[in-house]
Amino acid sequence: QKEVEQNSGPLSVPEGAIASLNCTYSDRVSQSFFWYRQYSGKSPELIMSIYSNGDKEDGRFTAQLNKASQYVSLLIRDSQPSDSATYLCDSHPAGGYNKLIFGAGTRLAVHP
Amino acid sequence: DAGVIQSPRHEVTEMGQEVTLRCKPISGHNSLFWYRQTMMRGLELLIYFNNNVPIDDSGMPEDRFSAKMPNASFSTLKIQPSEPRDSAVYFCASSLWTANTGELFFGEGSRLTVL
Repeated sequence: QKEVEQNSGPLSVPEGAIASLNCTYSDRVSQSFFWYRQYSGKSPELIMSIYSNGDKEDGRFTAQLNKASQYVSLLIRDSQPSDSATYLCDSHPAGGYNKLIFGAGTRLAVHP
Repeated sequence: DAGVIQSPRHEVTEMGQEVTLRCKPISGHNSLFWYRQTMMRGLELLIYFNNNVPIDDSGMPEDRFSAKMPNASFSTLKIQPSEPRDSAVYFCASSLWTANTGELFFGEGSRLTVL
């Protein structure tokens, strides 16, 4: 089993809609979770980090973490064509490891 | 801050040649990561360093791959000899690591093509 799993998509949503991206992880003691956005031909860039259960909002982005169910999600409100990219989920396992494990990424397409 | 700097941005070489990729992390960061990205396999962690010490190189595919970090401001990833299947984008990333944080900052990547 992969440590971090994401639906590869593509996830297609109309402009203005809410895009919901999900990620599950297998390490029960993971402490930190990150969402990165990667445009085609570019490097990943951090858009959200979350460390505790619940929701964290930043502009149009909301990260949701549920450690009991071992999932983390990213909601993008009022989706724009410029949000079209691959979104990578990343967890930081505990136990002294600094290794960050990326999911395969979900490709999001926002169409006008 | 200049961000993570990688060189070269593009490299085209022939099978069997040695390839050296370079990375300058963000000043003050204590962790450095080398990733490889392909369409088939996504973003794979090859090796990471903490305070210049290699911590986990289990992602290095073969003995043909080696990485060094002689000081806090420089790292290299070497492939010798290179093979066509090594063609990929190689990213270097750095982080200021604490117990519960560790956002990665990526360089622009080195696109390697092995003919």
